[in-house]
Amino acid sequence: EIVMTQSPATLSVSPGERATLSCRASQSLSSKLAWYQQKPGQAPRLLIYGASTRATGIPARFSGSGSGTEFTLTISSLQSEDVALYYCHQYSTWPPGTFGQGTTVEIK
Amino acid sequence: EVQLVESGGVVVQPGGSLRLSCAASGFSFNDYTMHWVRQAPGKGLEWVSLITRDGGSTFYGDFVKGRFTISRDIRKKSLYLQMNSLRAEDTALYYCATETDCIFRSWGQGTLVTVSS
Repeated sequence: EIVMTQSPATLSVSPGERATLSCRASQSLSSKLAWYQQKPGQAPRLLIYGASTRATGIPARFSGSGSGTEFTLTISSLQSEDVALYYCHQYSTWPPGTFGQGTTVEIK
Repeated sequence: EVQLVESGGVVVQPGGSLRLSCAASGFSFNDYTMHWVRQAPGKGLEWVSLITRDGGSTFYGDFVKGRFTISRDIRKKSLYLQMNSLRAEDTALYYCATETDCIFRSWGQGTLVTVSS
């Protein structure tokens, strides 16, 4: 089983500053990596797939990068509405892939 | 607009059974593989089961061990999860989700299952 490790567990960022979230896989995924956002009390929402493709309706301040085993989700200018849990999910092995344990983004 | 509305979550005793439903609207239900994903209180996401577009194939997480059955009714545009022999560790918010190309495209708001005596 591929293990996904997200870091940090919690990220505190000032409004307007950049937030950088990491996701590491225990083996190569190529680009089969997605990011999901889960706001408090809400269902998860697809942000990024194919490591770097934004889903429909996702603001341009969200970007994904990486391939192989190292991936990054960047929020270029953090807004208050971006406070959420962020999960990476690998789908190189399917079904069902593996979720990371999540990174909580909060406002500093 | 894609809508997925889960229902059926209740408090049930250990060893009991429950059937969850997910009503789909706003999209062509036949075009999507459907999944159940759960989230225990304060925990991360855990995949439960999937059923292919035509209902011909199903898959389950290892922890299911023959206790759950996923099904779909194309005419009713609904997804189901029959859960038997429930355990305390099955307590979670259960989400249904659409999937194409191994990506979870849309999610419902979830239905809460609590297994407790």
